[in-house]
Formats: sequence, structure tokens, C-alpha cells
Amino acid sequence: DQQVKQNSPSLSVQEGRISILNCDYTNSMFDYFLWYKKYPAEGPTFLISISSIKDKNEDGRFTVFLNKSAKHLSLHIVPSQPGDSAVYFCAAWNYGGATNKLIFGTGTLLAVQP
Amino acid sequence: GAGVSQTPSNKVTEKGKYVELRCDPISGHTALYWYRQSLGQGPEFLIYFQGTGAADDSGLPNDRFFAVRPEGSVSTLKIQRTERGDSAVYLCASRGTMNTEAFFGQGTRLTVV
Repeated sequence: DQQVKQNSPSLSVQEGRISILNCDYTNSMFDYFLWYKKYPAEGPTFLISISSIKDKNEDGRFTVFLNKSAKHLSLHIVPSQPGDSAVYFCAAWNYGGATNKLIFGTGTLLAVQP
Repeated sequence: GAGVSQTPSNKVTEKGKYVELRCDPISGHTALYWYRQSLGQGPEFLIYFQGTGAADDSGLPNDRFFAVRPEGSVSTLKIQRTERGDSAVYLCASRGTMNTEAFFGQGTRLTVV
């Protein structure tokens, strides 16, 4: 039972264009959603998060959008840079709940072409 | 150091052997998590500590896996009678009380031959 799903295993975009990574979830108890970035042989690095009470959070080139009714979130990167090439994981948790564990999607490999 | 530290970075062991993986969390972080990541998959939850106690160990696959955090800081993940299917990257993360995100170490790549 996969509670967080990333249906696109990979995405390729041109440098300077927008990258859009998508994520769907099934558990309505999730109240915080996060995006992590992972380079090979490194641990995941936190990128940006959004609370379930918001529908948008922006940090520089990165914006996360949350559509609670659709149980869908997306990460927009604009403009995309070659250094953004990495695996991106969507994650969620029931932060205020009794069980505090982060649930991850399977990841999307982003390749930004120079 | 400032980040989560995991040792060793790589571990190769023979099937049937016992291994210990160590995690040094960020100083002051009370929450500590162990995850396992297999190729092409996202990190899979194993166990969560709040202080010294295991608050949730529902992700441990079987009784060959055990983890401790005796003083509420360093944690050790212990795997008995290793099997080839245990080969994966084992990730540790910690979180402070005021953080909504978890901070990960670089992982330990375990290979069982």
C-alpha cells in the first residue's frame, strides 16, 4: 500500500526551462509534505516543504503547490539548471500524530540538459 | 560535526554474519529515524526513536533486525544472520523538536555476499 506515489520515474528538461515534478498521496491524515533531493552516494537533502493549511510555498527557484482535494502536490523549478540534476523524492507525514514517520515516494530522476 | 554522521560508509559482509551500523545524529535532536533504500526505490521506514525509546518499530522487516539508542544520542542498527536481500543503503535521519523536516546522513551501503 503505497501512500505516496511519484508516477514519473524520470524527467528531462532543457536548461533555463521549467521542471515540474508531481506527487500523489492517499492518506488524508498527512499534514506536512516535503521534497528531498538526492545525489548519487549522498543522503537525501531537504529542499522545501508545505503545510497542509497552505496551497503554495516558494523558496527562490523552487515552488511547491498543494491541491488537497486532489491529494496532489507538485514541485516547480524555474529556471532549471544542470546542477539540479538529481533524484527528487516527495515525502509526507502526519507531523502532529502519534506515529511520526516520514513516508517517501519512489523518486523522479531529473536530468537538466545544458 | 554539524550534520548526521553514519559509519561505516560501506560494509561488505558474508551471508550469515552479524553487522552493526552506527548513526551520530545532530546534537540536541531527540528524534532519530532509520530507513533502508533499495535500488530504484524511495527510503523505506524501519524504526523511529524519541529519546532513548523506540516509539515505532513497525518497519523492521523481521526479528533479525534490532536497533538501540541507549543514551538518547548515538544509535546502532544491528542485523543478525545477514541475508543477500539485506543488501541496501541504510539511512539515518534526525529531527529537532522545532523542525518539520528530518536531516539525513550519507548512508551506509551494506553488501551481503
